[in-house]
Amino acid sequence: GEDVEQSLFLSVREGDSSVINCTYTDSSSTYLYWYKQEPGAGLQLLTYIFSNMDMKQDQRLTVLLNKKDKHLSLRIADTQTGDSAIYFCAERGPNDYKLSFGAGTTVTVRA
Amino acid sequence: EAGVAQSPRYKIIEKRQSVAFWCNPISGHATLYWYQQILGQGPKLLIQFQNNGVVDDSQLPKDRFSAERLKGVDSTLKIQPAKLEDSAVYLCASSLMAGPGYEQFFGPGTRLTVL
Repeated sequence: GEDVEQSLFLSVREGDSSVINCTYTDSSSTYLYWYKQEPGAGLQLLTYIFSNMDMKQDQRLTVLLNKKDKHLSLRIADTQTGDSAIYFCAERGPNDYKLSFGAGTTVTVRA
Repeated sequence: EAGVAQSPRYKIIEKRQSVAFWCNPISGHATLYWYQQILGQGPKLLIQFQNNGVVDDSQLPKDRFSAERLKGVDSTLKIQPAKLEDSAVYLCASSLMAGPGYEQFFGPGTRLTVL
């Protein structure tokens, strides 16, 4: 099972926190990733988490993993206009080379 | 360090025509990937190369799509003949090696429109 699902849109006010949610079905997933895609650009890896972790923090980014519920979230603190982009959740199994992506969440930051 | 280069950036063709995309990965990266990203969807892997050998092409529509990486560096992806549903962004990515611990670096993509 390689289904990865995300909500499609999120609107947030500048300075607030954004939370983007993702669910996946493959219980053997070992790595879970968050990528950012700005208009006309390729995907940029933001952060990733191993499946044996439940939280990872990297500056304004906090990743939470609930392995029991197969739920992953990305929190962006103090959201800025430059954070407006599409955010993709992706997973990879222990023997998988390929990434399985969700459809992406479009984050719009309003002043 | 230069990133993954792709050309052309945009291409418009009519259905049943042929098209080719080119990718130059990051120097020294053994693994190269082609993804198809249809509007409103996440990228889907089409083919993965390790050096000049194919590792996974299970999702490549082989009746019309082909890809090669003859010298283990640059790669081309070809569609012949194109269909309307091939309209998408074609992303090339590379990583130092295959495997979950190696980050995939993405190029800017080629946006294909089939009319």
